[in-house]
Amino acid sequence: KAGVTQTPRYLIKTRGQQVTLSCSPISGHRSVSWYQQTPGQGLQFLFEYFSETQRNKGNFPGRFSGRQFSNSRSEMNVSTLELGDSALYLCASSFSSGANTEAFFGQGTRLTVV
Amino acid sequence: GESVGLHLPTLSVQEGDNSIINCAYSNSASDYFIWYKQESGKGPQFIIDIRSNMDKRQGQRVTVLLNKTVKHLSLQIAATQPGDSAVYFCAENRSNDYKLSFGAGTTVTVRA
Repeated sequence: KAGVTQTPRYLIKTRGQQVTLSCSPISGHRSVSWYQQTPGQGLQFLFEYFSETQRNKGNFPGRFSGRQFSNSRSEMNVSTLELGDSALYLCASSFSSGANTEAFFGQGTRLTVV
Repeated sequence: GESVGLHLPTLSVQEGDNSIINCAYSNSASDYFIWYKQESGKGPQFIIDIRSNMDKRQGQRVTVLLNKTVKHLSLQIAATQPGDSAVYFCAENRSNDYKLSFGAGTTVTVRA
């Protein structure tokens, strides 16, 4: 069974640009979550989707947005990039609609803003 | 504020010895806990989980202990191997919250 797939693996963008990251969950998983990982802040929750509905959102500015498609694939978008957005963006998928279920992570997308 | 944290940022262990990684949480409403292992250049890898109605759970070479009285979580790794070198994170989840809150992580280095 294939794991969580994130594309692209690496990305370099310029300040002010926008970026879209993609996540394909494990087959059969309908919940997708996004996290930002930086050396200073650690792993921070961005948002979670289930059946195309956002169920929770973290404390990030409105420049960060996401969506989920009917096939459970998800994308997140960051507009007007800032240097501080440089981070590893991780996607996790879960099978159940319940909160307390195993979450499996992808390899992440390493975003560098210059 | 409410957070999940690890007691030590680094841990050096002799190969073959047992490792104990600790984590404290502050929210008594947390009812599900996971330990993750993250190797360099990779995403976090699920190790083991435990629900709040349990105080101990065992996996292959790993044991998670949960002490709800003092809000403490630990991960024990038996016979630590070089491949266990990584950053370990504890994470907690609150019912109907649909998110994980992570601790800062402990870097485990295994000495040959």
